[in-house]
Amino acid sequence: GAGVSQSPSNKVTEKGKDVELRCDPISGHTALYWYRQSLGQGLEFLIYFQGNSAPDKSGLPSDRFSAERTGGSVSTLTIQRTQQEDSAVYLCASSPTGGYEKLFFGSGTQLSVL
Amino acid sequence: DQQVKQNSPSLSVQEGRISILNCDYTNSMFDYFLWYKKYPAEGPTFLISISSIKDKNEDGRFTVFLNKSAKHLSLHIVPSQPGDSAVYFCAATSGSARQLTFGSGTQLTVLP
Repeated sequence: GAGVSQSPSNKVTEKGKDVELRCDPISGHTALYWYRQSLGQGLEFLIYFQGNSAPDKSGLPSDRFSAERTGGSVSTLTIQRTQQEDSAVYLCASSPTGGYEKLFFGSGTQLSVL
Repeated sequence: DQQVKQNSPSLSVQEGRISILNCDYTNSMFDYFLWYKKYPAEGPTFLISISSIKDKNEDGRFTVFLNKSAKHLSLHIVPSQPGDSAVYFCAATSGSARQLTFGSGTQLTVLP
């Protein structure tokens, strides 16, 4: 596809369960970002991957959150032992090289933790 | 501490009139600014950007103004159209940063 693809588009889970969110970036884009938007809030940076460099994890809110990017392409964001405050729209974005580049966003995964 | 602030959560404008969306920032290291537009159930899409070496950038109906001394930027849309109704996010970054810092967004509604 031409754009950033995220799956699932919606996820409802019970408190305490683990969830995995998937992102397929635009082909050839070396930089990949995860952001989240909680209700009434702005976009909050979570993690950044650039090529083969170590990821910038400075935005991850707790050690329950982790992400990986396999083969420099697909990325998975994992949230362990989900809490109600994890409910948000999780957005993935990619850019050609990172830094000053404008980002291309997916349509997000709406996560609801009951 | 919010480094990028959009103090107006919502704005309503009549079709054909000018829409002005405002954004303030606190980090003096920011030197590149962007505006994104977001429709419901879609990801944000890039709209327009400006480097700190400029004070104005224009693209069709959209103009972004940057006032570095006031740490303030604004997005002007003229004339406004109903299709412009969306949430507008201001974002900023610097040469040393690798991510954009976003504001909380302003919901623009253009009334026909």
